[in-house]
Amino acid sequence: EAQVTQNPRYLITVTGKKLTVTCSQNMNHEYMSWYRQDPGLGLRQIYYSMNVEVTDKGDVPEGYKVSRKEKRNFPLILESPSPNQTSLYFCASSPVGTSGNNEQFFGPGTRLTVL
Amino acid sequence: AQSVTQLGSHVSVSEGALVLLRCNYSSSVPPYLFWYVQYPNQGLQLLLKYTSAATLVKGINGFEAEFKKSETSFHLTKPSAHMSDAAEYFCAVTGSSNTGKLIFGQGTTLQVKP
Repeated sequence: EAQVTQNPRYLITVTGKKLTVTCSQNMNHEYMSWYRQDPGLGLRQIYYSMNVEVTDKGDVPEGYKVSRKEKRNFPLILESPSPNQTSLYFCASSPVGTSGNNEQFFGPGTRLTVL
Repeated sequence: AQSVTQLGSHVSVSEGALVLLRCNYSSSVPPYLFWYVQYPNQGLQLLLKYTSAATLVKGINGFEAEFKKSETSFHLTKPSAHMSDAAEYFCAVTGSSNTGKLIFGQGTTLQVKP
């Protein structure tokens, strides 16, 4: 089944404790992206990757890191999480990022709480 | 810069009634527009998309949307609401920076009353 998977689905952590949220897709998509969803704000892009070893900042990159060593994986790293990073996170992938009409496929989401 | 505005954060309809979710956009280039649906505790699923081929776009689950350039609108409709339509709906436009980024509206929660 074609899908985007994320792990963990739920995470409660404390301020300053490094964490990684994994994202993997099995559709051989070049483009991958991370969004965060907050009430009343919709989804906002954190980072994106056009292909392996190519990543760039989205609208809200502060406090996050990403890497793209393999085509299928795009982990999101929070080196020192803070309470304002409490949010619902979505990973997405798309066949080609530069063609604007391509559908993005979303993972099930990771609900992160930082105490 | 592109932006999307969804009018009404909550919409409530009775089962069998017309569903109308409003979306207005601003774009300096011809836009690609999308409607996504998010069911509770799930990711986003594409309902339909406008890619300039036809102004009336039909999607899954009986939804459709009409692109109106003069009104910069892309409202989502369904003739008869079903209880299973209760979800959050997001309108989105592709950003102009050629990064593949989707710019989302704030979302509209649809409640369907029996």
